[in-house]
Amino acid sequence: QVQLQESGPGLVKPSQTLSLTCPVSGGSISSGAYYWTWIRQPAGKGLEWIGRIFTGGTTNYNPSLKSRVTISLDTSKNQFSLQLSSVTAADTAVYYCARERMIRGVGYMDVWGKGTTVTVSS
Amino acid sequence: DIQMTQSPSSLSASVGDRVNISCRASQRISTYLNWYQQKPGKAPKALIYTASNLQSGVPSRFSGSGSGTDFTLTISSLQPEDFATYYCQQSYSTSPYTFGQGTKLEIK
Repeated sequence: QVQLQESGPGLVKPSQTLSLTCPVSGGSISSGAYYWTWIRQPAGKGLEWIGRIFTGGTTNYNPSLKSRVTISLDTSKNQFSLQLSSVTAADTAVYYCARERMIRGVGYMDVWGKGTTVTVSS
Repeated sequence: DIQMTQSPSSLSASVGDRVNISCRASQRISTYLNWYQQKPGKAPKALIYTASNLQSGVPSRFSGSGSGTDFTLTISSLQPEDFATYYCQQSYSTSPYTFGQGTKLEIK
């Protein structure tokens, strides 16, 4: 059974780059037709999709964040990563990594990490 | 962006009640609609995908319906563990994927 768990600094200074990784256990990140996804949730608010990367390396990003986001895959470590540059307090949130399963061309997030809180503050 | 609007935003109900939560898309999205349940301090959990398909392991009291712009999540007989926040999400367009604002289901 595939499991995900976000890791990275819980505190990032304004204007710096937020970096998170999501190791995948219980399965290979390279197998199957899956997208590997990042989603965030500010405290007390709703869910915001950040972007995703396909097993083959293709990426899709939220246009509102596209200029600051990079999602990458490291098959040798069986993990994927998120980098968000030039952060501000508005980027403070719980960050989730998730697997998007594709069924007949339609995707949904079927496996989620537990989430990690990132605070942007000096 | 495709806007997803859920109603109501909050709902009080009793154990055993039948509950409907609505989700409306700002444009037609066929059946590219998923539902998630989130409990406090926990990650969301997939319930329904492509509008009406039950995720493996999810109790059959949960069901989904709809197509086009209007969708419904139904819980046929509320159980204590169902009190949570529910989100719909469209996977029709990745520019970007969008979620509804959430419906908080509380105990009456």
